[in-house]
Amino acid sequence: GAGVSQTPSNKVTEKGKYVELRCDPISGHTALYWYRQSLGQGPEFLIYFQGTGAADDSGLPNDRFFAVRPEGSVSTLKIQRTERGDSAVYLCASSLTNSVVDTQYFGPGTRLTVL
Amino acid sequence: DQQVKQNSPSLSVQEGRISILNCDYTNSMFDYFLWYKKYPAEGPTFLISISSIKDKNEDGRFTVFLNKSAKHLSLHIVPSQPGDSAVYFCAARWSGGSNYKLTFGKGTLLTVNP
Repeated sequence: GAGVSQTPSNKVTEKGKYVELRCDPISGHTALYWYRQSLGQGPEFLIYFQGTGAADDSGLPNDRFFAVRPEGSVSTLKIQRTERGDSAVYLCASSLTNSVVDTQYFGPGTRLTVL
Repeated sequence: DQQVKQNSPSLSVQEGRISILNCDYTNSMFDYFLWYKKYPAEGPTFLISISSIKDKNEDGRFTVFLNKSAKHLSLHIVPSQPGDSAVYFCAARWSGGSNYKLTFGKGTLLTVNP
């Protein structure tokens, strides 16, 4: 079946602009995670959704970052007033439930470049 | 504060030999550990996992060993194949919270030479 998809695959923007990154999880998966991977680092947790609600947003770096999942499926990560330090690969993952043994399946990521 | 550490940025092995990738963790609350493999321009792909109640888990050519007292785990690939060349991430989770986020190491680039 279809895996996790993310659009766009690449996004180049100018400092100060607003961007939206989209994630389509695997159908039926209730848990959805956003991670960010900077150069030379492993993925770092940003936010976790269980259903429609953001159950844990402790990884969001500041209030310029916001994410939604209004219908419990597709999620959008929104970044306001982008900064050069926001440049990274943004990864989305989904799992069937939030059980610790459930595998998180990752999408290919969106590479964000802020000029 | 790096809670999951992969101290070897890269590893090169010959095809057919064993690859051993190492990982250390500092947070004793972690009780579930995973290895992911990542090819360029793709997302991480789950490889194998182990619960803290076990010390070994095997899946085909891949075996993960867990030493809880040393807070150390390792991934063994036998025999190594050129297609195994990728970045390998060690990750850990804690079952006690309500959010099973993964905490990743920085990764180890494995190159398997034909």
